[in-house]
Amino acid sequence: GAVVSQHPSWVICKSGTSVKIECRSLDFQATTMFWYRQFPKQSLMLMATSNEGSKATYEQGVEKDKFLINHASLTLSTLTVTSAHPEDSSFYICSARDLGSTGGFGNTIYFGEGSWLTVV
Amino acid sequence: RKEVEQDPGPFNVPEGATVAFNCTYSNSASQSFFWYRQDCRKEPKLLMSVYSSGNEDGRFTAQLNRASQYISLLIRDSKLSDSATYLCVVNKDNTDKLIFGTGTRLQVFP
Repeated sequence: GAVVSQHPSWVICKSGTSVKIECRSLDFQATTMFWYRQFPKQSLMLMATSNEGSKATYEQGVEKDKFLINHASLTLSTLTVTSAHPEDSSFYICSARDLGSTGGFGNTIYFGEGSWLTVV
Repeated sequence: RKEVEQDPGPFNVPEGATVAFNCTYSNSASQSFFWYRQDCRKEPKLLMSVYSSGNEDGRFTAQLNRASQYISLLIRDSKLSDSATYLCVVNKDNTDKLIFGTGTRLQVFP
């Protein structure tokens, strides 16, 4: 079945540096991908919608200059956490919908494995 | 008010028990409803979609009440492997964006 892959799974970085997380749809094309963040014991919160070939749209309260999103191809979206600080430490996860697949809404949305970011 | 509200639990139940989780959502424009399961430090995985007529998948039964904006999940004959966090999820404004509840933690003990 369709798979969405994220890389890296784990990353530790120093405060003030930038970190890039990749989200790939492995066997389908995704014009839209979504980025979520989950702090410990909290729900997944939608950060932004990544749109292939155009600017990402950000949810209220999410700083677009801090969380840079690039969706340069139909199978790859990247999230760059710029000037990372310890409070950015979180679980970042992407999802994409395989519009070419039959089946209900829920059966065509795929999540990446997630990326754990720790900023020290 | 949170867009999707759940009792965080934890629910501690013995094997074989029946347990029910409830969820309310605030966005009346939502058209798609799901229960996801999330294991510790892992990505969420779809457990089942929820339909207006109610639906069952093995030991799991989901119900939706659009008028009350209420969703439920019933797990029968709990197994140790059911221990996880169960996330109530709705889509936002009939889009592909998903709004997650904080999850209800279930711990099944022997």
